[in-house]
Amino acid sequence: QVQLQESGPGLVKPSQTLSLTCTVSGASISSNRHYWGWIRQHPGKGLEWLGYIYSGGSPYYNPSLKGRLSIGVDTSASQVSLKLNSMTAADSAVYYCVRAQTVELVFDSWGQGTLVTVSS
Amino acid sequence: DIQMTQFPSSLSASVGDRVTITCRASQSINAFLNWYQQKPGRAPKVLIYAASSLQSGVPSRFSGSGSETDFTLTITNLQPEDFATYFCQQSFRTPLTFGGGTKVE
Repeated sequence: QVQLQESGPGLVKPSQTLSLTCTVSGASISSNRHYWGWIRQHPGKGLEWLGYIYSGGSPYYNPSLKGRLSIGVDTSASQVSLKLNSMTAADSAVYYCVRAQTVELVFDSWGQGTLVTVSS
Repeated sequence: DIQMTQFPSSLSASVGDRVTITCRASQSINAFLNWYQQKPGRAPKVLIYAASSLQSGVPSRFSGSGSETDFTLTITNLQPEDFATYFCQQSFRTPLTFGGGTKVE
């Protein structure tokens, strides 16, 4: 059974860069059947797709993030990374690591989520 | 971006009820529509993909229908564990977008 576990700081200062890591177990991150990426949810709000990457391929990002986002895959460590720069209070949210089926683009596996707060 | 509108935003139901949730896309998305359930403090879980395909392990009381711009999620014989928030998501085009959610309480 695939498991995704996010890790990273729970508190980030304004203007800093958020770095999160997702460790994947129970599935091959090199699989050509899946994308690996990130979704966030502001407290009490809806879901926002941030982006995803296909192992060995180019990432897809939500244009709303205006070039602040970078997603990477480390197949040797079975990890997916997120870097979001120029953080503001509006970026405070729960960040989920996700796996998507490449055909249906349905998110079939989720991490438990990690709460990130932006505050000085 | 494709806008996804869900309604109602909340509804009151009882165990045993039949519940219907609607999701409307701002443009045709064929059948590229997925449904998720989220309970408080938990990550979402996929119920339905490609508008009407039941995800493995999901009870058959959940069903989905629709195409183009209008979709529905139906829960028949509502169970206590079904009280949650439900989201739709279009997978037709990036950026992938979600509906605002429907809370079943």
